[in-house]
Amino acid sequence: AQTVTQSQPEMSVQEAETVTLSCTYDTSESDYYLFWYKQPPSRQMILVIRQEAYKQQNATENRFSVNFQKAAKSFSLKISDSQLGDAAMYFCAYRRHQVGGGADGLTFGKGTHLIIQP
Amino acid sequence: DTAVSQTPKYLVTQMGNDKSIKCEQNLGHDTMYWYKQDSKKFLKIMFSYNNKELIINETVPNRFSPKSPDKAHLNLHINSLELGDSAVYFCASSQPSFSGYHYEQYFGPGTRLTVT
Repeated sequence: AQTVTQSQPEMSVQEAETVTLSCTYDTSESDYYLFWYKQPPSRQMILVIRQEAYKQQNATENRFSVNFQKAAKSFSLKISDSQLGDAAMYFCAYRRHQVGGGADGLTFGKGTHLIIQP
Repeated sequence: DTAVSQTPKYLVTQMGNDKSIKCEQNLGHDTMYWYKQDSKKFLKIMFSYNNKELIINETVPNRFSPKSPDKAHLNLHINSLELGDSAVYFCASSQPSFSGYHYEQYFGPGTRLTVT
C-alpha cells in the first residue's frame, strides 16, 4: 500500500521569504499523480499544484513550485514571496494512475502547519 | 456557483442517533468520494462511487452507508452514532479524462460532526 510522509508538523517563515515543505511517498506504481492541497482555517481543501509522475518537468503555479524527484520518491513544495494568506495546513497527496479512470481516493500525508510571521 | 456543496456544514447530535450528510456536485463528474478528517487533521478516504456504483469501501464500519441517487449526489448516512465518529467529513468529486488520466479532486466545504 502506498504511504505519504510529511516530516514537518509545523513550519514558520517570515513574510516575503521562501519556504519549502517536504513530502516523501512510497509506492510500487510507476504512473501516478502527486498533489499539494492547502487547508486554511475555513477548512476548505484547495488544490495548490499537481504533478504527473510521467512528466520530468517540475510543476509551477505562480509563487508555488515543486521539486519532484521520482527516484527518491520526494515531492517538496516551495512557496516564494510568502504572504499572510498562505498560512494554512498543507497536505501532500498521492493517487495512482488507473487505466480507464478508476475511482481511487487520495492518500494524504499528515500535513504541515505553515505559519507566516509578519 | 458552488461546485461541490455539502449540507449541513455543522451537525451536533447525541450518541445513538442516526444522521445524514448530503453532497451535490454540479461539475458533471462521474466519480464522487467521502473522506473523514479526524481531530489530528488526518484525512482518509472512506468511500468512492463511480456512476452511482460503489467502488471503494475502506474498512469503514457498516454503520456508515453511502447512497447515490444519481451521479450528481452522494449522501452519507450514519446509524447509531458514536463519540469516535466526531470529525469533519468531506465530499469530493473528480472526472477522468478521455485518456484515463484523472486530475484533481474537487472538495466540498466539509461537515463538522460533533457527537455528544
